[in-house]
Amino acid sequence: AQSVTQLDSQVPVFEEAPVELRCNYSSSVSVYLFWYVQYPNQGLQLLLKYLSGSTLVKGINGFEAEFNKSQTSFHLRKPSVHISDTAEYFCAMGDSSYKLIFGSGTRLLVRP
Amino acid sequence: EPEVTQTPSHQVTQMGQEVILRCVPISNHLYFYWYRQILGQKVEFLVSFYNNEISEKSEIFDDQFSVERPDGSNFTLKIRSTKLEDSAMYFCASSDEGSGYTFGSGTRLTVV
Repeated sequence: AQSVTQLDSQVPVFEEAPVELRCNYSSSVSVYLFWYVQYPNQGLQLLLKYLSGSTLVKGINGFEAEFNKSQTSFHLRKPSVHISDTAEYFCAMGDSSYKLIFGSGTRLLVRP
Repeated sequence: EPEVTQTPSHQVTQMGQEVILRCVPISNHLYFYWYRQILGQKVEFLVSFYNNEISEKSEIFDDQFSVERPDGSNFTLKIRSTKLEDSAMYFCASSDEGSGYTFGSGTRLTVV
C-alpha cells in the first residue's frame, strides 16, 4: 500500500539554525513528491515539488528538498530558519491516479 | 497567479442538515478534488473528478457525499445529512494533471 511517513511530529529549532524535516514514502510505482506548508488557520501552500529530473529541488522561502529513490525519502531542508517559518509542514505523494497521499505533518517551531 | 476560490470560509450547520461547499477551480484545469482535514490530523483525499464524472473516491466518500460541476466554473461538495464527525476543514484543489496541484484556502465546517 502507498503511504507517506513523517516521523517527527514536532521539530523545535532556534532561529537562524538549519533544519531538516524528514519524509519517507512507500510506493511500487513512480511518484511525484510535494511539500506543503500550512500556517495557522490557513490553507495549503506549495513549497516545492519533485516530478522528475534533478533530485535536488529548490522551492520558495529558501527551502529545498532532495529526492532519494534508494532510501525512498524526500527530506526538506532550510539552512537558516526564521520565526516566520513556524508552521505545519506536510509531505505528500502523488501518482498516475492524481490523488495525493499526505503524511501526518511536522510542526516546525522556531524559537528566538 | 491563478487561485482556487472556496466559499464560504466558515460554515456552521446543525446535525442532520444538508450543506454545500463551493469551489471555483483554476479555469484551464481539468482535474478537481476535495480533501478534508479533521482538526489536528492529516489531510485526507475524498474524491477526484474529471470529464464530468468521479474518477476516484476514498472510503470516507460514502453515500452522504456527492460532487457536482453545475456549470463551467463551479465545483461543489454536498453533504446530505451532516454528522458531528463531518466537522473538518474541507479543501478544494484543481490541477492540469497530477503534478500541477493548487489548493484553495479551505472551508471550515462546524457541525453542531
